[in-house]
Amino acid sequence: DAKTTQPPSMDCAEGRAANLPCNHSTISGNEYVYWYRQIHSQGPQYIIHGLKNNETNEMASLIITEDRKSSTLILPHATLRDTAVYYCIAFRYGGATNKLIFGTGTLLAVQP
Amino acid sequence: EAQVTQNPRYLITVTGKKLTVTCSQNMNHEYMSWYRQDPGLGLRQIYYSMNVEVTDKGDVPEGYKVSRKEKRNFPLILESPSPNQTSLYFCASSLFYGQGGEKLFFGSGTQLSVL
Repeated sequence: DAKTTQPPSMDCAEGRAANLPCNHSTISGNEYVYWYRQIHSQGPQYIIHGLKNNETNEMASLIITEDRKSSTLILPHATLRDTAVYYCIAFRYGGATNKLIFGTGTLLAVQP
Repeated sequence: EAQVTQNPRYLITVTGKKLTVTCSQNMNHEYMSWYRQDPGLGLRQIYYSMNVEVTDKGDVPEGYKVSRKEKRNFPLILESPSPNQTSLYFCASSLFYGQGGEKLFFGSGTQLSVL
């Protein structure tokens, strides 16, 4: 499964859009991009996932570049409760690891 | 309400005293899994189960046992806990696992301290 690279931390002002980048330059054609987040010491929470098209749900939008080497998670109007560690995961069922691997993620701090 | 329920939330025990952490899901999910989370090491998978009576080792299974006798329950058993098993534990479930279905629901965690 492809390795992903995320910045260790980011800040965002409350009410503004939070754009969290993720690089996955070695992603293969059938690997999905998953995003989860973990609010301090709580269980991780699924946010969104996609393969090649952009995706949107009630929580966020996922923008995947055309070459699929990177993606951006967008929280359109960040609130203080969005402060969390965000994990970007590239995964293909049946691949080398056959499991979602949660790396160190990006700590998003939403500032008042 | 759809949820994964873990108990207890906090547990302090002594070395060698057998314990069980329970996990139950009410979503009729096929897939269940246990993780432990330690500072600097992220989330590591202990065991997983693809369905009833089907379990397999994850990355760090030593010192742990699991069983899946019913679809909704997936208890984690520590037969002889040791201090290096002090950790934050999470149970997770998913409707199925494969073909882009890896939408995991996590429990709220069990903080275990082994003295």
